[in-house]
Amino acid sequence: DAKTTQPNSMESNEEEPVHLPCNHSTISGTDYIHWYRQLPSQGPEYVIHGLTSNVNNRMASLAIAEDRKSSTLILHRATLRDAAVYYCILRSHFGNEKLTFGTGTRLTIIP
Amino acid sequence: DTEVTQTPKHLVMGMTNKKSLKCEQHMGHRAMYWYKQKAKKPPELMFVYSYEKLSINESVPSRFSPECPNSSLLNLHLHALQPEDSALYLCASSPSILAGGPANEQFFGPGTRLTVL
Repeated sequence: DAKTTQPNSMESNEEEPVHLPCNHSTISGTDYIHWYRQLPSQGPEYVIHGLTSNVNNRMASLAIAEDRKSSTLILHRATLRDAAVYYCILRSHFGNEKLTFGTGTRLTIIP
Repeated sequence: DTEVTQTPKHLVMGMTNKKSLKCEQHMGHRAMYWYKQKAKKPPELMFVYSYEKLSINESVPSRFSPECPNSSLLNLHLHALQPEDSALYLCASSPSILAGGPANEQFFGPGTRLTVL
């Protein structure tokens, strides 16, 4: 699977938008971009995924660059509950179910 | 019910003990997974089961023995573990092992925190 690069940590103020970047310069045309997050003392949970177009769901938005070499997870209004490690993961359409986690970004929310 | 349950929450065992971790889901998922997560590190895949058959073994030492007795249950049998095996063991499930198309997201349990003395 192609690799992703994320900042180790980020801070954001409560009730502000948060933009979490992910670089994936070796992404192939059949790779989906998935985001998971892991809250403290919990297992990871799915956040969102996309292929080419920007995506929105109740948790977040995913903005994908036109060349697909980078993407940004957007939390529109961060709460303390959003403090977690966020993982950006590439998964091939033709691949199996292996989720290969990178180091992720530890997001701290400042009250 | 979108929950994956894992028991026990915590387990302390000696290097000569035999113990088992249990995972259960009732979402009708046909793929189940074991991950290992060391402190401050990302989860690492250990095993994948698809339709109760072992699909992927990520070169895990034989002291870890997975078992999938039915489509809802996944066990991890532990024997002669080492202190470096102490970690959080996560179970997950997904509708199938196919990665493409719809999210086919993996649902994770809260994990079993294992300490080997």
